[in-house]
Amino acid sequence: TQLLEQSPQFLSIQEGENLTVYCNSSSVFSSLQWYRQEPGEGPVLLVTVVTGGEVKKLKRLTFQFGDARKDSSLHITAAQPGDTGLYLCAGRDTGTASKLTFGTGTRLQVTL
Amino acid sequence: NAGVTQTPKFQVLKTGQSMTLQCAQDMNHNSMYWYRQDPGMGLRLIYYSASEGTTDKGEVPNGYNVSRLNKREFSLRLESAAPSQTSVYFCASSVPGAAVYGYTFGSGTRLTVV
Repeated sequence: TQLLEQSPQFLSIQEGENLTVYCNSSSVFSSLQWYRQEPGEGPVLLVTVVTGGEVKKLKRLTFQFGDARKDSSLHITAAQPGDTGLYLCAGRDTGTASKLTFGTGTRLQVTL
Repeated sequence: NAGVTQTPKFQVLKTGQSMTLQCAQDMNHNSMYWYRQDPGMGLRLIYYSASEGTTDKGEVPNGYNVSRLNKREFSLRLESAAPSQTSVYFCASSVPGAAVYGYTFGSGTRLTVV
């Protein structure tokens, strides 16, 4: 079983601060996705990165896939209370179609 | 609204009781999945169905069974519930090649076994 470790596990910041969440594995993934989950709901896809070194931006969120396709990061600029939630990375391994392995999650709280 | 529908949303069972969690999707997706979510452990795959008529074990299948009733429906059954099965259960669906398109999740079933 491939493991995806996320850090930090919890993060509490004030509105306007910047933050970075990390997703690390010893395994190579063919692609990696980031999801956000709000209380009482299922995760919702934010982005997919496929190529090693790829950087994608979604408004104030910047996602990067590591060169070796073993790790990824999510950077949020000028966090807002609406960014509050559980952030999950998920990797698709190189040998299995469609199945995703999810990370341990980072719970972010942004306060005024 | 299109998406994945799970029932029930909440359930309390006594140890040893059985129940079936229902999941249906209306997006014509081929693949469906059952995950459980526990604090600090992310989402762990219980069973999945790559296409209608097929099911396979995931990471944590013990104590569960599944049925892919048709293309739309994928149910999860607990034959004899145990306290260790207290969790939030999510059903998801995807088109083949989820690496690009991602999963669509239901809103979950919160199960407590006492």
